[in-house]
Amino acid sequence: DIQMTQSPSSLSASVGDRVTITCRASQSVSRYLNWYQHKAGKAPKLLIYEASRLQSGVPSRFSGSGSGTDFTLTITSLQPEDFATYYCQQSNSPPFTFGPGTKVDIK
Amino acid sequence: VQLVESGGGLIQPGGSLRLSCVASGFTVSDNYMTWVRQAPGKGLEWVSTIYIASNTYYADSVRGRFTISKDNSKNTLHLQMNSLRVEDTAVYYCAGSLSVRRGIDYWGPGTLVTVSS
Repeated sequence: DIQMTQSPSSLSASVGDRVTITCRASQSVSRYLNWYQHKAGKAPKLLIYEASRLQSGVPSRFSGSGSGTDFTLTITSLQPEDFATYYCQQSNSPPFTFGPGTKVDIK
Repeated sequence: VQLVESGGGLIQPGGSLRLSCVASGFTVSDNYMTWVRQAPGKGLEWVSTIYIASNTYYADSVRGRFTISKDNSKNTLHLQMNSLRVEDTAVYYCAGSLSVRRGIDYWGPGTLVTVSS
């Protein structure tokens, strides 16, 4: 099974900051890496699919990059509504594992 | 698109529970359907995905105990959970996607399952 790791596990940032979250797979997942935003008490939201494709309706300040085993989610100019937990998920082969999450909170 | 789960509740260890998810604006039979859970204080955990009856996938933690299925006539997804353990306590989300490789597009609000004596 493919294991997913994320770093950092948490970070504190201010509105307007640029934030970068890293996700690593234990073996290649090609480009089949997705990013989700999850806020407490709400359903997760798909932000990025296939490593770099922006889901419809997601603001352009979110972007993704990478392939193989190393991936990055970048939020340029963090907004108040972006404080949440972010998860990567590989969809290359089952089990379609999630990373452990990165919590972004207010500095 | 709307996905609405039901069937959660309090159950003793070793017991069984069946979760259901009714979809509207989304055809269950034509798409990939997934269950994802989040235990208290923990992250998201992929549980199971189904496309057609012969294409089902399970996490190691639930394989042999949980069964995912579709009722196409009712546009509904099910998760039969047997031999429940304390560690199965979680919010269970029903989710749907047009392509499993393109991530999970649609999510329900979740239903809480508590396994406790």
